[in-house]
Amino acid sequence: RKEVEQDPGPFNVPEGATVAFNCTYSNSASQSFFWYRQDCRKEPKLLMSVYSSGNEDGRFTAQLNRASQYISLLIRDSKLSDSATYLCVVNPGDSSYKLIFGSGTRLLVRP
Amino acid sequence: DADVTQTPRNRITKTGKRIMLECSQTKGHDRMYWYRQDPGLGLRLIYYSFDVKDINKGEISDGYSVSRQAQAKFSLSLESAIPNQTALYFCATSTDRGPQYFGPGTRLTVT
Repeated sequence: RKEVEQDPGPFNVPEGATVAFNCTYSNSASQSFFWYRQDCRKEPKLLMSVYSSGNEDGRFTAQLNRASQYISLLIRDSKLSDSATYLCVVNPGDSSYKLIFGSGTRLLVRP
Repeated sequence: DADVTQTPRNRITKTGKRIMLECSQTKGHDRMYWYRQDPGLGLRLIYYSFDVKDINKGEISDGYSVSRQAQAKFSLSLESAIPNQTALYFCATSTDRGPQYFGPGTRLTVT
């Protein structure tokens, strides 16, 4: 089993739609969680951290479910500019504190 | 000015040549990382460094070496480049438990 798993997509949605991605992680001791956005041939950029109580940043909402070991990202009112690959990232909480990156979920927002 | 810079941004080199990719950061972070990304694939960790005196191998270190010249500088070398090292290379930095911040990437082609 991969340490961090994501549906690769693509998710193809119309502008204005609401779309949600889930990501599962294998290590129950994982301590911190992030969502990144990566545009084609560009560097990954931090979208938001994911907190235990859930958090929102404008049209983006992130949730953490420790019992089921998954995190989610909800995007409301999708824009064309939201088209990108979304990476789920987990700090496994071991002594190395390296981040584990998922392979990403591709989102395409059409006019 | 960008917080994490990489040079060169693009490089074409021949098989067998030695090449160095450089990374500098102004974020004041202790931790620095080198990743490679191949088309359609996720990020793979090559090497990481938690401070100037600390160097660690990642999952794909064979064929690569690194040097941490200062807190702000972390270089990746390919001693004898081969075509399957053609990829997009990213440098990243972080604090000990925070998210990673990426440079713009170096596109390397080995012919």
